[in-house]
Amino acid sequence: GAVVSQHPSWVICKSGTSVKIECRSLDFQATTMFWYRQFPKQSLMLMATSNEGSKATYEQGVEKDKFLINHASLTLSTLTVTSAHPEDSSFYICSAREEQGQPQHFGDGTRLSIL
Amino acid sequence: GQQVMQIPQYQHVQEGEDFTTYCNSSTTLSNIQWYKQRPGGHPVFLIQLVKSGEVKKQKRLTFQFGEAKKNSSLHITATQTTDVGTYFCAGSAGGFKTIFGAGTRLFVKA
Repeated sequence: GAVVSQHPSWVICKSGTSVKIECRSLDFQATTMFWYRQFPKQSLMLMATSNEGSKATYEQGVEKDKFLINHASLTLSTLTVTSAHPEDSSFYICSAREEQGQPQHFGDGTRLSIL
Repeated sequence: GQQVMQIPQYQHVQEGEDFTTYCNSSTTLSNIQWYKQRPGGHPVFLIQLVKSGEVKKQKRLTFQFGEAKKNSSLHITATQTTDVGTYFCAGSAGGFKTIFGAGTRLFVKA
């Protein structure tokens, strides 16, 4: 089945640090990748949608300068949390989709803790 | 904008009891997907429904897509402790975006 690898699994860092999270589709080409944020016991909150080679589309309320998304190839998307603060602590999950109408395949998620 | 409502928010059942979660969309959907997220894990795709009135089964799980393609349900027969987790529906009205429901957390007591 389709595999999506997300790295790192967890990060603990100081306030003000920038953190990069990678999302790779291992056995398929992902024309679209999604980045979600999930708070404990809550649903998935879509942050942005990225298509290979184009700028990401951010959801309302998500700061694009804060959460930089790059989808440079059909198998890799990155999310960089710039100048992270404690309120950015959360579980971030990426998903990848081969084409429109197809299901999303999720990475294992990254647990980010900002001290 | 498009909204996907899912109920109940959580449900506690005794092992062996049945369980159903319901999903309703504010707009007609082109397809609906169901995912399961185990505690501490990531969502895993279960199934996709596309046709009006479609019913699909996976062992003890039965998925339905309403005639108007605006609602869906997931029914689990005779729950087991391995069914524990959060079940999400996700609807697409066409285009790139898929909207996830809030999820239903299932607790199964042995």
